[in-house]
Amino acid sequence: DAGVIQSPRHEVTEMGQEVTLRCKPISGHDYLFWYRQTMMRGLELLIYFNNNVPIDDSGMPEDRFSAKMPNASFSTLKIQPSEPRDSAVYFCASSRLGQAFFGQGTRLTVV
Amino acid sequence: KQEVTQIPAALSVPEGENLVLNCSFTDSAIYNLQWFRQDPGKGLTSLLLIQSSQREQTSGRLNASLDKSSGRSTLYIAASQPGDSATYLCAVDGVETSGSRLTFGEGTQLTVNP
Repeated sequence: DAGVIQSPRHEVTEMGQEVTLRCKPISGHDYLFWYRQTMMRGLELLIYFNNNVPIDDSGMPEDRFSAKMPNASFSTLKIQPSEPRDSAVYFCASSRLGQAFFGQGTRLTVV
Repeated sequence: KQEVTQIPAALSVPEGENLVLNCSFTDSAIYNLQWFRQDPGKGLTSLLLIQSSQREQTSGRLNASLDKSSGRSTLYIAASQPGDSATYLCAVDGVETSGSRLTFGEGTQLTVNP
């Protein structure tokens, strides 16, 4: 397996624009997570899914953030409208039997 | 609410030295504990996973221990090499959401000098 695949690797967008981050989890994993990493706050869990169903989205900072998992092999994290304070590295991770594997992340810059 | 603390925040050692990284957590009701490594600009790489019923796990020069009752874990790196330079993160998984909600520490930034 190629591991958790995220796209794009880098995204630069203007404030107010919609941003969509994509994730392909490892096949057979039943949990999928979206994390955000910044220097100030470290790694923060935004939302996680179990068998494609959102379980806990309490970490999603605002209504501007939304996440979907239409099937077991794909998830999106959308920010609309984006703001400069959303600039961070966004990681997707998947797990099975408690061991989590992370993607390489998407570095988002909102100018 | 689970809180995870890692000490020290940064560590610089000469090549060849054995070293210990520390992780503590406030709620001992955990499902498992994982140690990750993160290189600059990269994602997290899982190093070791310790289930709550286990005391330690070993992989090559790495050994991780878990003392659930005291809320502590250590990562021991033997014969350190410059390639070990990275940030090491400890994460615990809450028992009520097994296999899911990882809470991370802030990490220890390790530099191994040649």
